[in-house]
Amino acid sequence: EVQLVESGGGLVQPGGSLRVSCAASGFTFSNYWMGWVRQAPGKGLEWVANIKPDGSDKYYVDSVKGRFTISRDNAENSLYLQVNSLRAEDTAVYFCVRWQGNMMVTWGQGIVATVSS
Amino acid sequence: QSALTQPRSVSGSPGQSVTISCTGTSSDVGGYNYVSWYQQHPGKAPKVMIYDVSKRPSGVPDRFSGSKSGNTASLTISGLQAEDEADYYCCSYAGSHWVFGGGTKLTVL
Repeated sequence: EVQLVESGGGLVQPGGSLRVSCAASGFTFSNYWMGWVRQAPGKGLEWVANIKPDGSDKYYVDSVKGRFTISRDNAENSLYLQVNSLRAEDTAVYFCVRWQGNMMVTWGQGIVATVSS
Repeated sequence: QSALTQPRSVSGSPGQSVTISCTGTSSDVGGYNYVSWYQQHPGKAPKVMIYDVSKRPSGVPDRFSGSKSGNTASLTISGLQAEDEADYYCCSYAGSHWVFGGGTKLTVL
């Protein structure tokens, strides 16, 4: 069964950092583009970042450039999102996604990150 | 990187058809045939319903169809069923990044 399981969320103070992880199983992780999508409370979906199968190329939404870093460990079948300089507006459910062609075909259950003092 | 424009809500009765629009620009929806649509039930992860404007992933009923004209993409759901009640989001490639619509709440009356 194809599965994505996020972990590492929590409550962080403004200006703080967090590392969100995603454990992948049921497919050959190293063959796929992966990414992160977030959803603020009561709001819509926002694409955050994508990473190429070999990790050589990374893309970000403008609002997180310089603060968030997407990375992957193909040996561990894991995807990561390092989030720094957190702001209140970064409070959201963060979904790990697997891309197939031009669609996000697999989604994790999501992990909550709350930025508050 | 502005969000695509979707109606906040649409509604229809069981058996009817509804269409949800998704308007962007020539830099996203109009420039690429990479529009996808996602269904999200409350408290659940989204599920892809349409990709590449009009293709259906395996397992998605053929009641769901997609199209595009110029800078506007559309999702049509025919033969509405109670379980179709959900939020729907369009998403388009915009040249090295992706952008979602604001979402549309579909109510089945």
